[in-house]
Order: sequence, then structure tokens, then C-alpha cells
Amino acid sequence: EAGVAQSPRYKIIEKRQSVAFWCNPISGHATLYWYQQILGQGPKLLIQFQNNGVVDDSQLPKDRFSAERLKGVDSTLKIQPAKLEDSAVYLCASSLGRRRTNEKLFFGSGTQLSVL
Amino acid sequence: SQQGEEDPQALSIQEGENATMNCSYKTSINNLQWYRQNSGRGLVHLILIRSNEREKHSGRLRVTLDTSKKSSSLLITASRAADTASYFCATDAGDKIIFGKGTRLHILP
Repeated sequence: EAGVAQSPRYKIIEKRQSVAFWCNPISGHATLYWYQQILGQGPKLLIQFQNNGVVDDSQLPKDRFSAERLKGVDSTLKIQPAKLEDSAVYLCASSLGRRRTNEKLFFGSGTQLSVL
Repeated sequence: SQQGEEDPQALSIQEGENATMNCSYKTSINNLQWYRQNSGRGLVHLILIRSNEREKHSGRLRVTLDTSKKSSSLLITASRAADTASYFCATDAGDKIIFGKGTRLHILP
């Protein structure tokens, strides 16, 4: 079974530039998550999709971050414009579906973003 | 916001010893999960314990849950070098899964 795929693996940009991350979840997984993990901290949920609908985006800085999940499969997370404090690892995860209980998450390897 | 708080933040033990890390949380949960993260990688699910369970085992892992104290512990027995990683507890209250800050475990040869 293929895991969660993310790209790129690393990205270095200057502040005020834009950047986009891509995620392909495990086939058949209805729920997709984007987490931000700052060095030395735990992952913080940015946005959660159930199929192609947003379930939770309460911690997404909507003035600069946007995300979409077209056709309920792949997802893209965008930052525009980037700030220094956006330097972090962006993790994508998927699960079978949030309507089930006792879900476990499958994570990709993440995209490490450095904003200079 | 982060609900789970792991303790200790960092732990170094000799290979072969047991490692224990704790997690405290604030609100009622459906289940609590533990994940492992090797350096530069994504998180890997280790074990899930439901709110009506008190103890669960998986290989060298033992997890306990005390809902009255809102706490959980993860025990890794007979540690190996490959266990060096960060360990996170994650609480599932039904709407979202929230991770703690993690315990960094280092196994000394």
C-alpha cells in the first residue's frame, strides 16, 4: 500500500514570496489534514478536509494561507506572502474518514520550509 | 492550541533499559494515541487506547490511560538504538486530533 506522498521535500524562499505544497493521500482515505510543525514542537492542525469539504480551518491564518482539495483526492497548501515565522515542516496526513471513531493518522514525510 | 503535554521533554537512557513517558490532557476524549517521529520524517502511529480502556500492549509498548487524572503513560521495554526518536501523544475528542509537544528519547549505546 502506497503511503502519503508530499512534495517538495525541501523549499527555501525569501520572505514575501509565495510557496505551494502538494499532498497525495492514501487511496480511499476520505479525510486529509495539514499540520504545521515548528522545530521542537508538536504538529499543529492547520486544516482538515472530509472529501473535498473543509471540516476545520480554525487555526489556518487565512490572510496568507489557503488550501484546497480538488475532487476529494490531492490537496495543495499555499502561503502568500510568506513570513519568517512560517519556517516549519508542513505535514500532510490522511485517515479513512472522520465519521468513524478511533481513527489513526498516516503521515507523509513532510515539506521543510525555510523562509529567509 | 495543544491539549496534550508530555513529560519529560527529553529523556536519555542506556540501551536495554525501559523508557517511560507521560502525557496529561485537559478535556474529555474518545481515545488517546501515541506516535513516533524519527528525525526528519513524518509521524508513525504506534498505539491507540480508547477512553474505556485502562491498559494496552503492543510488542514492547505498554500504554496506560487514567481518565480520572486525564493522563496516559507510554512504556517502552528493553530499549534499542532504533527507539531513538520523538514521541507524541495525541488526543481525539471527536472533532479533531491534537498533538502534544513531545518527548525526545535518546538511547545511549
